[in-house]
Amino acid sequence: AQSVAQPEDQVNVAEGNPLTVKCTYSVSGNPYLFWYVQYPNRGLQFLLKYITGDNLVKGSYGFEAEFNKSQTSFHLKKPSALVSDSALYFCAVREGRGSTLGRLYFGRGTQLTVWP
Amino acid sequence: EPEVTQTPSHQVTQMGQEVILRCVPISNHLYFYWYRQILGQKVEFLVSFYNNEISEKSEIFDDQFSVERPDGSNFTLKIRSTKLEDSAMYFCASSPLQRGSYNEQFFGPGTRLTVL
Repeated sequence: AQSVAQPEDQVNVAEGNPLTVKCTYSVSGNPYLFWYVQYPNRGLQFLLKYITGDNLVKGSYGFEAEFNKSQTSFHLKKPSALVSDSALYFCAVREGRGSTLGRLYFGRGTQLTVWP
Repeated sequence: EPEVTQTPSHQVTQMGQEVILRCVPISNHLYFYWYRQILGQKVEFLVSFYNNEISEKSEIFDDQFSVERPDGSNFTLKIRSTKLEDSAMYFCASSPLQRGSYNEQFFGPGTRLTVL
């Protein structure tokens, strides 16, 4: 069965420091992985995705994520956090094969707080 | 930038009543989805819709639920007889048609449904 785990409900980091939001997944076949961010009263906004190719993918707002197949992880990173990065972050996965329209499986979300 | 919109932002209803949640997907998108998030839980897939028919539905999407694309712009989720456990945030999403690719889904801001 497909599943996503975000082991940390909250991540707190000081502005200017690097941040990491963790995600591990379980999926049959090749995974397609996504990160979304949710600001208060807004929908889920797409940040980045891994489909194939380079394990390090870059996305919006300076975020990047590293796909690690052996560890089944897709951690979200940013070298220097901003206060405006404070939001709820969701990792999601879908199956790479046999799935026609892309049902996503989400993690519980990680609340990122960046302190000034 | 085009966005998925949803109305209403908050719906309060009595148990047993019918509700219709409305979504306007991005205009050139052809795949549509509904997800929901019960407070404190994961975002869960409900249903996907393409070419005027349901493509996939989850175990949550029972006979009480239905979806419709009544015209060229709206995509609706109907719950025929609401239960207390239907209280959740409901997200609509859409995705463009692109053969052989796995596009990200674009989410609306959600409708918070409260069943009393």
